[in-house]
Amino acid sequence: DVKVTQSSRYLVKRTGEKVFLECVQDMDHENMFWYRQDPGLGLRLIYFSYDVKMKEKGDIPEGYSVSREKKERFSLILESASTNQTSMYLCASSLTSIGYTFGSGTRLTVV
Amino acid sequence: GIQVEQSPPDLILQEGANSTLRCNFSDSVNNLQWFHQNPWGQLINLFYIPSGTKQNGRLSATTVATERYSLLYISSSQTTDSGVYFCAVELNDYKLSFGAGTTVTVRA
Repeated sequence: DVKVTQSSRYLVKRTGEKVFLECVQDMDHENMFWYRQDPGLGLRLIYFSYDVKMKEKGDIPEGYSVSREKKERFSLILESASTNQTSMYLCASSLTSIGYTFGSGTRLTVV
Repeated sequence: GIQVEQSPPDLILQEGANSTLRCNFSDSVNNLQWFHQNPWGQLINLFYIPSGTKQNGRLSATTVATERYSLLYISSSQTTDSGVYFCAVELNDYKLSFGAGTTVTVRA
């Protein structure tokens, strides 16, 4: 089974801090994604990557950046954390014919 | 963009009951998946089912692509089946679009 591992389950950061969320997949998947989930708003795509060093903006990229230096790792960066970025962050990887596999999520609180 | 509608929004079941969840989508899709979000927030992949029927234990799913809907069946429900069930579809651009989910509560 594909495993997608997110580095932290819970995270508390201060306003203005630079925050790194790490995601690693243990299969050779080309595609990786970052979503955030908020009550009443559902799951929204922040960024995705279809290859090393390639990235595409999703629906809500403002305030975020990403890095994919190696195929197995996809990092989400909050350049200057704000309270409206308090959310559940979900990483996923995908392969055609088996679909998406999600990590266990990171609950980020910005105070 | 594509519209994904799930029904019902909420479902309360007595343990042992059967139920059907529905997902309607507004366009032809390359991929359709059903997920279960557990109380800790993790999305568990239940089925990758762009068309046809699949079964996994007490769960089964059917997608009729030509009519743009999918059904998820839960038989002999257990309390561990509680959580939110999401339907998600992919067009041809790698990205999944999610429905709003069905919240299932199974009572002992």
